[in-house]
Amino acid sequence: EAAVTQSPRSKVAVTGGKVTLSCHQTNNHDYMYWYRQDTGHGLRLIHYSYVADSTEKGDIPDGYKASRPSQENFSLILELASLSQTAVYFCASSPDWGNYEQYFGPGTRLTVL
Amino acid sequence: AQKVIQVWSTASRQEGEELTLDCSYETSQVLYHLFWYKHLLSGEMVFLIRQMSSSTAKERSGRYSVVFQKSLKSISLVISALQPDDSGKYFCALWELVYQGGRALIFGTGTTVSVSP
Repeated sequence: EAAVTQSPRSKVAVTGGKVTLSCHQTNNHDYMYWYRQDTGHGLRLIHYSYVADSTEKGDIPDGYKASRPSQENFSLILELASLSQTAVYFCASSPDWGNYEQYFGPGTRLTVL
Repeated sequence: AQKVIQVWSTASRQEGEELTLDCSYETSQVLYHLFWYKHLLSGEMVFLIRQMSSSTAKERSGRYSVVFQKSLKSISLVISALQPDDSGKYFCALWELVYQGGRALIFGTGTTVSVSP
């Protein structure tokens, strides 16, 4: 049974529209992350959170907001979607920083037209 | 500048063979960790194996093992007895400790592996 789920699995959005990507984990982990993957790149961290109601900026936060309303749920929000935000987005969770492996969701393929 | 480099973007082998995937990294930290993940064709990202910078043990997990050359800032993933299900994209990732408490993983660009029956 998948411990990290994402919805939707794919989405087509229009430029300037609002997009919300959702992530739910049943691992009881404190840390959650949002990454994006682009062709020719590895995964890059957008936002992360280590406690409910708090989020932190990652390496590429511009154009994205995040929300952690509960330990289990972590959303990524694109207020004004742009063409450059077409990518695959991964959510992950881990018990803590450091040498703990991260558990990833299946990814969401976002296409902005 | 890319901190985690996987030079080979693709690799192909036959079933039963052994494959070594190379990864180099840059860090000025004393304490760091290296991870290998596999991105399945289904989209799932699966953790494979971890190497702590402070460990001299040869890490192994099933058919996966690592060759860690700390002085060269290099880590290789070795997959033995390849099976077609080993096909997928393999990512090397670096986690390093900094004063403020750390940061998340920095991924390489990945190597796509194809294993033929």
